[in-house]
Amino acid sequence: GAGVSQSPSNKVTEKGKDVELRCDPISGHTALYWYRQSLGQGLEFLIYFQGNSAPDKSGLPSDRFSAERTGGSVSTLTIQRTQQEDSAVYLCASSLPGQHYNEQFFGPGTRLTVL
Amino acid sequence: SQQGEEDPQALSIQEGENATMNCSYKTSINNLQWYRQNSGRGLVHLILIRSNEREKHSGRLRVTLDTSKKSSSLLITASRAADTASYFCATGSSGYSTLTFGKGTMLLVSP
Repeated sequence: GAGVSQSPSNKVTEKGKDVELRCDPISGHTALYWYRQSLGQGLEFLIYFQGNSAPDKSGLPSDRFSAERTGGSVSTLTIQRTQQEDSAVYLCASSLPGQHYNEQFFGPGTRLTVL
Repeated sequence: SQQGEEDPQALSIQEGENATMNCSYKTSINNLQWYRQNSGRGLVHLILIRSNEREKHSGRLRVTLDTSKKSSSLLITASRAADTASYFCATGSSGYSTLTFGKGTMLLVSP
């Protein structure tokens, strides 16, 4: 079956514009995660979904960041009024229920560049 | 924070040599996982070790876990140029909804 997919693979935008990043998890994976990775750094947790609800939004860096998930499947991460410091690779992962014990499957990421 | 910290930050070896990476963490865990990342893109799960396990093998990979020292090591034996990548440890704990990743070790294997 297909793995986690993300689109677009690359996004270049101008400062102040809004962007939407999409994640299609593996079918049947109820848990979905968004991470951000700046150049040469580790993964920064942003938000976690269990089904359509987001019990943990603690990693969202500001109110310019939001995410939603519909139908327990596709998720969209929206960044409003982008800033240059938002430039990073945004990674999405999904896993089966019981997330503490299961591996996370990652998508290829979206490389966001804010000019 | 329960963040894992990998050591060393970078490691350069020759093909055929063994590579050892270490991970330390701060709080109690349920499990610890190792991931590999090529070219700054998606991560690939390598191996998971539970808190009640001390050692686990998968192919050329050997992972150890010492919960008393809050540390883990990943050994790659007989390394190959294709093993060149960044390696991350990630910890899962009760009360936390997701894994916490370290900053990674960059491994370079030269032919």
